[in-house]
Amino acid sequence: SQQGEEDPQALSIQEGENATMNCSYKTSINNLQWYRQNSGRGLVHLILIRSNEREKHSGRLRVTLDTSKKSSSLLITASRAADTASYFCATGVMDSSYKLIFGSGTRLLVRP
Amino acid sequence: ETGVTQTPRHLVMGMTNKKSLKCEQHLGHNAMYWYKQSAKKPLELMFVYSLEERVENNSVPSRFSPECPNSSHLFLHLHTLQPEDSALYLCASSQDSSRNEQFFGPGTRLTVL
Repeated sequence: SQQGEEDPQALSIQEGENATMNCSYKTSINNLQWYRQNSGRGLVHLILIRSNEREKHSGRLRVTLDTSKKSSSLLITASRAADTASYFCATGVMDSSYKLIFGSGTRLLVRP
Repeated sequence: ETGVTQTPRHLVMGMTNKKSLKCEQHLGHNAMYWYKQSAKKPLELMFVYSLEERVENNSVPSRFSPECPNSSHLFLHLHTLQPEDSALYLCASSQDSSRNEQFFGPGTRLTVL
């Protein structure tokens, strides 16, 4: 499996529900970032969590990081139809100052 | 808008054509990136420029040739491409090359016939 794999690959929920996406990685990291991509467009940075942090919040987003399990989760609370997009985790690896390795993404569908 | 623009947004070219993709960032960043996004594959880093110097060439075929004339502009010159090169090509920039958050352009959808 690849560095930064998201789980599930696809998620369909009702508006108002919470959405949880998970990311697993293999190598040591400096930070982990989550990005969002609307269909066929560029990625938008959502949140960055450093390797010495365990949890971070930004609006309706909550990210956790467990370096012992090499995993992270992104929680979107009170989802809206506008949250429909693909979500990617990206890991900043230790042996490179600039390289981000992206996962394959989770496609989230929020039904109105 | 993220402050990163890309042109053209769509491009169809034959395998013998030569074309160029353009990226411009208005954020005062020092690092710029080219990524390739193919269907059902993770985003692939192609090239990284830091202060106009190429710092990464991620085993990209020579039919892709990047150019960074200054810190605000990045080009990807294309020649003799293959149909499997059809993909969304994304440009990004960051404040510097030290694992900062990256700001992406909207991408160029490339189709090689």
